[in-house]
Amino acid sequence: QKEVEQNSGPLSVPEGAIASLNCTYSDRGSQSFFWYRQYSGKSPELIMFIYSNGDKEDGRFTAQLNKASQYVSLLIRDSQPSDSATYLCAVIYWEYGNKLVFGAGTILRVKS
Amino acid sequence: EAQVTQNPRYLITVTGKKLTVTCSQNMNHEYMSWYRQDPGLGLRQIYYSMNVEVTDKGDVPEGYKVSRKEKRNFPLILESPSPNQTSLYFCASSPGLNYNSPLHFGNGTRLTVT
Repeated sequence: QKEVEQNSGPLSVPEGAIASLNCTYSDRGSQSFFWYRQYSGKSPELIMFIYSNGDKEDGRFTAQLNKASQYVSLLIRDSQPSDSATYLCAVIYWEYGNKLVFGAGTILRVKS
Repeated sequence: EAQVTQNPRYLITVTGKKLTVTCSQNMNHEYMSWYRQDPGLGLRQIYYSMNVEVTDKGDVPEGYKVSRKEKRNFPLILESPSPNQTSLYFCASSPGLNYNSPLHFGNGTRLTVT
């Protein structure tokens, strides 16, 4: 069973702080990782994806991938109340055909 | 506008009454998938399709059927709905399940089975 684990939260941070969201996965063969943001009752929307070890930055968002330790994280700098949402980590597993598995998500609350 | 369209957005039905939730994408995507989302359980895959006439079970396929007769459409069929299928359903598509091909989601269908 391929697994993607996330702390359900809620993670509360003050406005302007850095929010750090973490995700661990079970298969060293996994090659690609996605972060989605989902507002309550809405569909998930892509924030960014990463497939190489290291950091990838896009505006206020930075994804960090460490394949040796099997974790991927998302940093949100200068957090805003509008960032309050559920953040979903998704991993593609290549074994036995491509399979995309989602974590249960972390609730982020940014307090003004 | 590139999009994934699901219908209906809201559906209330009774146990045992067959229903179909439609999903259509206009991006010529090969990969399509259905998910259900329940509180605390995240997105769970019901069925997916890698291309026309190719469908496969996801993690929670029981009680559901799908078909992929043409590339753009991927309907979800509940032959005999039960209350435990009350959930929020999402259809999604992508060019293929590749390292740089994220999913595009529909707006969701909230289904209530009484």
